[in-house]
Amino acid sequence: AQTVTQSQPEMSVQEAETVTLSCTYDTSESNYYLFWYKQPPSRQMILVIRQEAYKQQNATENRFSVNFQKAAKSFSLKISDSQLGDTAMYFCAYNNNDMRFGAGTRLTVKP
Amino acid sequence: NAGVTQTPKFQVLKTGQSMTLQCAQDMNHEYMSWYRQDPGMGLRLIHYSVGAGITDQGEVPNGYNVSRSTTEDFPLRLLSAAPSQTSVYFCASSYSVLAGYTGELFFGEGSRLTVL
Repeated sequence: AQTVTQSQPEMSVQEAETVTLSCTYDTSESNYYLFWYKQPPSRQMILVIRQEAYKQQNATENRFSVNFQKAAKSFSLKISDSQLGDTAMYFCAYNNNDMRFGAGTRLTVKP
Repeated sequence: NAGVTQTPKFQVLKTGQSMTLQCAQDMNHEYMSWYRQDPGMGLRLIHYSVGAGITDQGEVPNGYNVSRSTTEDFPLRLLSAAPSQTSVYFCASSYSVLAGYTGELFFGEGSRLTVL
């Protein structure tokens, strides 16, 4: 079974600075999708960014970018120019037929 | 556009009671699934369905039943609630492989269930 590991239960960053959240996964598949979801206190699950495993280029979405290392099975999320609204739980997820999630990283952005 | 709608949003049950969490989507998604979210454990897959009439078990299926009689609806049934089933439950859906699949899941707003 595929597993997703987020080794940082909690992190904090100063407003306007950059932070990187780590994620590793285990799979024997060659084609799959990777995601970062954000869950603010409202509980809603919000897609932050998506990466397709067959694409070598790292995905970017405005202030959010990933470092996808397929051989190392690593998928980290970088948040640049952190904003107070980025405070949330962040979940890394792997999808090949069904989606599996990591335990999450609670990110706090400090003013 | 409602997306994925879950009801109820909050529910308190006594041990041994049964209940059904409702989930409906209006995006014509073939794939639907149920997750439970517990502190420190992320979201764990309970059951999923790849189309009407087809369901399968996920990581933590025990104590839960599902059915998929229509494309739109995917209810989750707790047959005899236990305190270990206290959790937040999420329903999610996505496009099928043949219909614009991107791997992304679209989530409902979650249902908080407490079993006393």
